[in-house]
Amino acid sequence: GNSVTQMEGPVTLSEEAFLTINCTYTATGYPSLFWYVQYPGEGLQLLLKATKADDKGSNKGFEATYRKETTSFHLEKGSVQVSDSAVYFCALNSGNTPLVFGKGTRLSVIA
Amino acid sequence: DSGVTQTPKHLITATGQRVTLRCSPRSGDLSVYWYQQSLDQGLQFLIQYYNGEERAKGNILERFSAQQFPDLHSELNLSSLELGDSALYFCASRKTGEETQYFGPGTRLLVL
Repeated sequence: GNSVTQMEGPVTLSEEAFLTINCTYTATGYPSLFWYVQYPGEGLQLLLKATKADDKGSNKGFEATYRKETTSFHLEKGSVQVSDSAVYFCALNSGNTPLVFGKGTRLSVIA
Repeated sequence: DSGVTQTPKHLITATGQRVTLRCSPRSGDLSVYWYQQSLDQGLQFLIQYYNGEERAKGNILERFSAQQFPDLHSELNLSSLELGDSALYFCASRKTGEETQYFGPGTRLLVL
């Protein structure tokens, strides 16, 4: 079945540092890939997505590229801010199937 | 704001009790999904409805049930509650033909 593996945190960075959160997946067919973010005390928000190989999703300075050859969808940001502190989830689905999530990575950014 | 609403925001109850969680999807979304987020299990899919009909089941306990009504809102019923049912319960909705699911703010359930 489908599965997602993402690096487990917590990750602690200083403001303006470079962020990478690794995510790899196992799936049949051609899944769509997502990053969701959960800020403290809140629900899940879609951060970015990519629906086919080599697509790059981007939003709020975050980027991730759908790499079929390495089955990866790593999240990157060039310069993190304190307000980026949250839990980040990599996820996939195929069409109308339920989302399969990674375990989440907690990011703390300190000033 | 995703456009998905969930009530109540918080729920505290005792073991053995029954509760109902409510979800209103985004306008026009026919698909509703329920997920459970717990510390030990992470985010797990429970059940999916499409236009009133059950479409898929995940790791949903027999004590749990759900339905989707003609106005497309959905309810998740949890009965004979146990301490281990304490979790955050999310619903998400999706527009037909699109892959993205939009999540509500969740209902935090605490079973004492």
